[in-house]
Amino acid sequence: SQTIHQWPATLVQPVGSPLSLECTVEGTSNPNLYWYRQAAGRGLQLLFYSVGIGQISSEVPQNLSASRPQDRQFILSSKKLLLSDSGFYLCAWSVGGNADTQYFGPGTRLTVL
Amino acid sequence: RKEVEQDPGPFNVPEGATVAFNCTYSNSASQSFFWYRQDCRKEPKLLMSVYSSGNEDGRFTAQLNRASQYISLLIRDSKLSDSATYLCVAAPQGGSEKLVFGKGTKLTVNP
Repeated sequence: SQTIHQWPATLVQPVGSPLSLECTVEGTSNPNLYWYRQAAGRGLQLLFYSVGIGQISSEVPQNLSASRPQDRQFILSSKKLLLSDSGFYLCAWSVGGNADTQYFGPGTRLTVL
Repeated sequence: RKEVEQDPGPFNVPEGATVAFNCTYSNSASQSFFWYRQDCRKEPKLLMSVYSSGNEDGRFTAQLNRASQYISLLIRDSKLSDSATYLCVAAPQGGSEKLVFGKGTKLTVNP
Protein backbone atom coordinates (compact mmCIF):
# COMPACT_ATOMS: atom_id res chain seq x y z
CA SER A 1 0.00 0.00 0.00
CA GLN A 2 1.02 3.59 -0.49
CA THR A 3 2.17 5.81 2.34
CA ILE A 4 3.20 9.43 2.45
CA HIS A 5 5.55 10.94 4.99
CA GLN A 6 6.24 14.51 5.96
CA TRP A 7 8.72 15.99 8.36
CA PRO A 8 9.09 17.70 10.62
CA ALA A 9 5.63 17.51 12.19
CA THR A 10 5.97 20.92 13.81
CA LEU A 11 8.40 23.75 13.32
CA VAL A 12 8.93 27.14 14.93
CA GLN A 13 11.18 29.47 12.98
CA PRO A 14 12.17 33.13 13.28
CA VAL A 15 11.34 35.62 10.54
CA GLY A 16 14.06 35.70 7.93
CA SER A 17 15.28 32.17 8.53
CA PRO A 18 15.36 29.50 5.80
CA LEU A 19 12.92 26.63 5.48
CA SER A 20 13.06 23.11 4.17
CA LEU A 21 10.12 20.72 4.42
CA GLU A 22 10.34 17.25 3.02
CA CYS A 23 7.74 14.86 1.69
CA THR A 24 8.27 11.30 0.51
CA VAL A 25 5.88 8.75 -0.92
CA GLU A 26 6.25 5.00 -0.75
CA GLY A 27 4.54 2.23 -2.66
CA THR A 28 3.93 3.98 -5.95
CA SER A 29 5.89 5.19 -8.96
CA ASN A 30 5.62 8.40 -10.97
CA PRO A 31 3.10 10.03 -8.66
CA ASN A 32 1.84 13.56 -9.05
CA LEU A 33 2.94 15.50 -5.98
CA TYR A 34 1.47 18.61 -4.42
CA TRP A 35 2.21 21.18 -1.73
CA TYR A 36 -0.71 22.95 -0.06
CA ARG A 37 -0.91 25.49 2.71
CA GLN A 38 -3.84 25.80 5.08
CA ALA A 39 -3.81 29.02 7.08
CA ALA A 40 -5.92 29.33 10.21
CA GLY A 41 -9.60 29.62 9.28
CA ARG A 42 -8.91 29.36 5.58
CA GLY A 43 -9.19 26.70 2.92
CA LEU A 44 -6.42 24.71 1.33
CA GLN A 45 -4.31 26.73 -1.06
CA LEU A 46 -2.37 24.87 -3.73
CA LEU A 47 1.22 26.13 -3.77
CA PHE A 48 3.05 23.80 -6.15
CA TYR A 49 2.50 20.60 -8.04
CA SER A 50 4.80 18.27 -9.91
CA VAL A 51 4.11 15.61 -12.52
CA GLY A 52 7.69 14.33 -12.64
CA ILE A 53 11.29 14.75 -11.54
CA GLY A 54 12.40 18.33 -11.98
CA GLN A 55 8.96 19.45 -13.19
CA ILE A 56 7.42 22.05 -10.89
CA SER A 57 4.41 24.25 -11.48
CA SER A 58 3.83 27.20 -9.19
CA GLU A 59 0.32 28.32 -8.42
CA VAL A 60 0.89 31.37 -6.26
CA PRO A 61 3.71 33.92 -6.46
CA GLN A 62 5.47 33.98 -3.13
CA ASN A 63 8.80 33.55 -1.43
CA LEU A 64 8.52 29.76 -1.44
CA SER A 65 9.99 27.30 -3.92
CA ALA A 66 9.67 23.58 -4.51
CA SER A 67 11.92 20.91 -5.92
CA ARG A 68 11.56 17.29 -6.87
CA PRO A 69 15.01 15.75 -6.90
CA GLN A 70 13.72 12.16 -6.95
CA ASP A 71 10.57 10.48 -8.21
CA ARG A 72 8.99 10.17 -4.78
CA GLN A 73 10.52 13.14 -2.99
CA PHE A 74 9.11 16.65 -2.90
CA ILE A 75 10.74 19.50 -1.02
CA LEU A 76 9.33 22.90 -0.08
CA SER A 77 11.85 25.64 0.64
CA SER A 78 12.24 29.26 1.46
CA LYS A 79 15.34 31.42 1.75
CA LYS A 80 13.71 33.92 4.15
CA LEU A 81 10.51 33.22 6.00
CA LEU A 82 7.82 35.83 6.51
CA LEU A 83 5.27 35.98 9.31
CA SER A 84 2.59 35.27 6.72
CA ASP A 85 4.23 31.93 5.92
CA SER A 86 2.83 30.46 9.13
CA GLY A 87 0.35 27.69 8.49
CA PHE A 88 -0.27 24.01 8.08
CA TYR A 89 1.70 22.64 5.12
CA LEU A 90 0.33 19.54 3.50
CA CYS A 91 1.91 17.34 0.89
CA ALA A 92 -0.33 15.18 -1.25
CA TRP A 93 0.05 12.62 -4.00
CA SER A 94 -2.13 11.22 -6.74
CA VAL A 95 -1.64 8.55 -9.35
CA GLY A 96 0.20 9.97 -12.35
CA GLY A 97 -1.82 10.88 -15.38
CA ASN A 98 -5.34 12.19 -15.13
CA ALA A 99 -6.27 10.52 -11.87
CA ASP A 100 -7.81 13.08 -9.62
CA THR A 101 -8.00 11.57 -6.14
CA GLN A 102 -5.37 13.05 -3.87
CA TYR A 103 -4.06 11.59 -0.63
CA PHE A 104 -2.52 13.78 2.01
CA GLY A 105 0.46 13.41 4.28
CA PRO A 106 0.26 14.20 8.00
CA GLY A 107 1.35 17.79 7.48
CA THR A 108 3.85 20.19 9.02
CA ARG A 109 2.62 22.92 11.31
CA LEU A 110 4.88 25.95 10.81
CA THR A 111 4.91 28.94 13.11
CA VAL A 112 7.01 31.93 12.10
CA LEU A 113 7.77 34.31 14.95
CA ARG B 1 -17.69 34.37 -6.63
CA LYS B 2 -15.87 31.68 -4.70
CA GLU B 3 -15.26 28.54 -6.74
CA VAL B 4 -16.45 26.11 -4.09
CA GLU B 5 -18.68 27.38 -1.34
CA GLN B 6 -19.76 25.66 1.82
CA ASP B 7 -21.70 26.71 4.87
CA PRO B 8 -18.96 26.90 7.52
CA GLY B 9 -21.33 25.85 10.29
CA PRO B 10 -20.82 24.82 12.95
CA PHE B 11 -23.50 22.17 12.84
CA ASN B 12 -24.24 20.80 16.29
CA VAL B 13 -26.37 17.65 16.23
CA PRO B 14 -27.21 14.93 18.75
CA GLU B 15 -25.93 11.43 18.35
CA GLY B 16 -28.16 9.45 16.00
CA ALA B 17 -29.34 12.48 14.04
CA THR B 18 -29.29 12.85 10.28
CA VAL B 19 -27.39 15.85 9.00
CA ALA B 20 -26.86 17.20 5.49
CA PHE B 21 -24.29 19.59 4.10
CA ASN B 22 -24.53 21.38 0.80
CA CYS B 23 -21.74 22.65 -1.39
CA THR B 24 -21.97 24.75 -4.54
CA TYR B 25 -19.38 25.09 -7.26
CA SER B 26 -19.00 27.78 -9.88
CA ASN B 27 -17.02 26.00 -12.60
CA SER B 28 -19.51 24.15 -14.77
CA ALA B 29 -16.61 22.24 -16.35
CA SER B 30 -15.92 20.45 -13.07
CA GLN B 31 -16.10 16.73 -13.72
CA SER B 32 -15.57 14.97 -10.45
CA PHE B 33 -16.11 15.80 -6.83
CA PHE B 34 -14.96 14.62 -3.45
CA TRP B 35 -15.78 14.89 0.19
CA TYR B 36 -12.87 14.84 2.62
CA ARG B 37 -13.06 14.89 6.38
CA GLN B 38 -10.49 16.74 8.42
CA ASP B 39 -10.06 16.26 12.12
CA CYS B 40 -8.68 19.12 14.19
CA ARG B 41 -5.01 19.70 13.41
CA LYS B 42 -4.86 16.67 11.13
CA GLU B 43 -4.65 16.11 7.40
CA PRO B 44 -7.75 15.79 5.20
CA LYS B 45 -8.78 12.20 4.55
CA LEU B 46 -10.84 11.09 1.60
CA LEU B 47 -14.39 10.21 2.57
CA MET B 48 -16.14 9.78 -0.78
CA SER B 49 -15.68 10.35 -4.49
CA VAL B 50 -18.61 11.50 -6.61
CA TYR B 51 -18.35 10.98 -10.35
CA SER B 52 -21.93 10.60 -11.48
CA SER B 53 -25.19 11.46 -9.81
CA GLY B 54 -24.16 10.20 -6.42
CA ASN B 55 -22.47 7.67 -4.21
CA GLU B 56 -23.37 5.82 -1.04
CA ASP B 57 -21.08 4.26 1.52
CA GLY B 58 -22.77 2.97 4.65
CA ARG B 59 -24.20 5.90 6.58
CA PHE B 60 -22.84 8.43 4.10
CA THR B 61 -24.57 9.47 0.89
CA ALA B 62 -23.29 12.04 -1.57
CA GLN B 63 -25.48 13.46 -4.31
CA LEU B 64 -24.50 15.57 -7.28
CA ASN B 65 -26.82 17.95 -9.12
CA ARG B 66 -24.98 19.21 -12.20
CA ALA B 67 -27.84 21.40 -13.38
CA SER B 68 -27.82 23.37 -10.13
CA GLN B 69 -24.09 22.88 -9.55
CA TYR B 70 -24.24 21.58 -6.05
CA ILE B 71 -23.13 18.52 -4.16
CA SER B 72 -24.59 17.33 -0.91
CA LEU B 73 -23.38 14.99 1.82
CA LEU B 74 -25.88 13.22 4.03
CA ILE B 75 -24.82 11.51 7.22
CA ARG B 76 -27.34 9.20 8.84
CA ASP B 77 -27.27 7.94 12.41
CA SER B 78 -24.51 10.36 13.41
CA LYS B 79 -21.77 9.04 15.67
CA LEU B 80 -19.57 11.00 18.04
CA SER B 81 -16.65 10.04 15.82
CA ASP B 82 -18.24 11.88 12.89
CA SER B 83 -17.29 15.17 14.53
CA ALA B 84 -14.89 16.81 12.08
CA THR B 85 -14.72 19.42 9.34
CA TYR B 86 -16.02 18.21 5.98
CA LEU B 87 -14.33 19.60 2.88
CA CYS B 88 -16.06 19.73 -0.48
CA VAL B 89 -13.72 19.46 -3.47
CA ALA B 90 -14.22 19.96 -7.20
CA ALA B 91 -11.92 18.69 -9.93
CA PRO B 92 -12.05 20.24 -13.39
CA GLN B 93 -11.93 18.17 -16.51
CA GLY B 94 -8.59 16.79 -17.51
CA GLY B 95 -6.65 16.19 -14.37
CA SER B 96 -6.08 16.75 -10.72
CA GLU B 97 -3.65 19.65 -10.68
CA LYS B 98 -6.42 22.13 -10.05
CA LEU B 99 -8.51 20.57 -7.33
CA VAL B 100 -10.50 23.32 -5.69
CA PHE B 101 -11.28 22.97 -2.02
CA GLY B 102 -14.07 24.54 -0.08
CA LYS B 103 -13.26 25.95 3.33
CA GLY B 104 -15.18 23.19 5.04
CA THR B 105 -18.23 22.66 7.19
CA LYS B 106 -17.66 21.92 10.85
CA LEU B 107 -19.78 19.22 12.44
CA THR B 108 -20.00 18.44 16.13
CA VAL B 109 -21.99 15.41 17.20
CA ASN B 110 -23.04 15.63 20.84
CA PRO B 111 -23.80 12.74 23.20
